[in-house]
Amino acid sequence: GQSLEQPSEVTAVEGAIVQINCTYQTSGFYGLSWYQQHDGGAPTFLSYNALDGLEETGRFSSFLSRSDSYGYLLLQELQMKDSASYFCAGYNQGGKLIFGQGTELSVKP
Amino acid sequence: IAGITQAPTSQILAAGRRMTLRCTQDMRHNAMYWYRQDLGLGLRLIHYSNTAGTTGKGEVPDGYSVSRANTDDFPLTLASAVPSQTSVYFCASSEAGENNEQFFGPGTRLTVL
Repeated sequence: GQSLEQPSEVTAVEGAIVQINCTYQTSGFYGLSWYQQHDGGAPTFLSYNALDGLEETGRFSSFLSRSDSYGYLLLQELQMKDSASYFCAGYNQGGKLIFGQGTELSVKP
Repeated sequence: IAGITQAPTSQILAAGRRMTLRCTQDMRHNAMYWYRQDLGLGLRLIHYSNTAGTTGKGEVPDGYSVSRANTDDFPLTLASAVPSQTSVYFCASSEAGENNEQFFGPGTRLTVL
């Protein structure tokens, strides 16, 4: 089977850095994606790690270690608008996404 | 149309009724997907289509059917709705590519009573 685990909620202050971890248990898995969802709206793509290492896109970075079955999303210079739910999702060999249960990030002033 | 549209936005349905959720994309993506999102359970794949004319089952396909007659449309049908199908349904599409990005529609909130 395939499953991804991430914390249910994280709180941080504006301007800070926050890391959202994701561990997975799966066979035949490749690649880890991150999606953002505001207030139950359409999830939007943030990043994809096909290989081990760090991918940086502006204030957001994502990391993958396939040997540790672990990844994280790093958000820097937090802004109020970053308050949202963040989902890690693993790509299986069939090209299908398996989502984690989501982490609700609350950014406080 | 820009991206993916879904209809209806929301629906209240009596148990036992038949319901079709519509999804249309204008990006000419080959792959399309249907997910349901329930509180605390994230998004779960119901059915998918890798290309027009083909469909496949996801994690939770029971009670749902899909068709893919053309590239743009991917309707999801509940033949006889049950209360456990109360959920938010998201349609998504993607083109094969290195980053495997999926584009999601705005969702349909379905309540089965």
